[in-house]
Amino acid sequence: QQPVQSPQAVILREGEDAVINCSSSKALYSVHWYRQKHGEAPVFLMILLKGGEQKGHEKISASFNEKKQQSSLYLTASQLSYSGTYFCGTETQGGSEKLVFGKGTKLTVNP
Amino acid sequence: KAGVTQTPRYLIKTRGQQVTLSCSPISGHRSVSWYQQTPGQGLQFLFEYFSETQRNKGNFPGRFSGRQFSNSRSEMNVSTLELGDSALYLCASSLVITKLYGYTFGSGTRLTVV
Repeated sequence: QQPVQSPQAVILREGEDAVINCSSSKALYSVHWYRQKHGEAPVFLMILLKGGEQKGHEKISASFNEKKQQSSLYLTASQLSYSGTYFCGTETQGGSEKLVFGKGTKLTVNP
Repeated sequence: KAGVTQTPRYLIKTRGQQVTLSCSPISGHRSVSWYQQTPGQGLQFLFEYFSETQRNKGNFPGRFSGRQFSNSRSEMNVSTLELGDSALYLCASSLVITKLYGYTFGSGTRLTVV
């Protein structure tokens, strides 16, 4: 079951904040976040595990609401380098479960 | 260390032909997954291999197949190509199958079917 991401696209000015949501109709074990810049490979940002703490580094952080089966990615004081498409990937079980990605959220940061 | 290497980078094939794509994971990574990426559909899971065994399979027709070798290199094959198979095919490797350290993706193979 593919997770649903929202919004599909967002345009920001440098310094503004953004939140990207990822929700699933199934109980989740983990949520992964990746960023893909145009013409490049997706790059791993972070993983959130069921029962784990909110993760983050610098100005990009994420949370995992187990009751709602939803994760949110927070980008604060956005920089031009944050532009790209953000994908969440979900696992419904631990171990060797496949990772299923959402359709992505395109983030554009303008000067 | 070297990243995930996918070859070739670009391919143009004719409908009905078959194609083989190759992926060499990061040294030491034993799990390899394949994804199809098309505009608006995101990353669609094809299959995952670990220790030469297919561990998971996505909802693609039997024309799509793959395998993994003892050195963890993986290949995927698409037979009887259709126009709708045109896409970027991404390979991702991880240290272990549990993916706790995330995936490292290759740059992909851009397949165009004409």
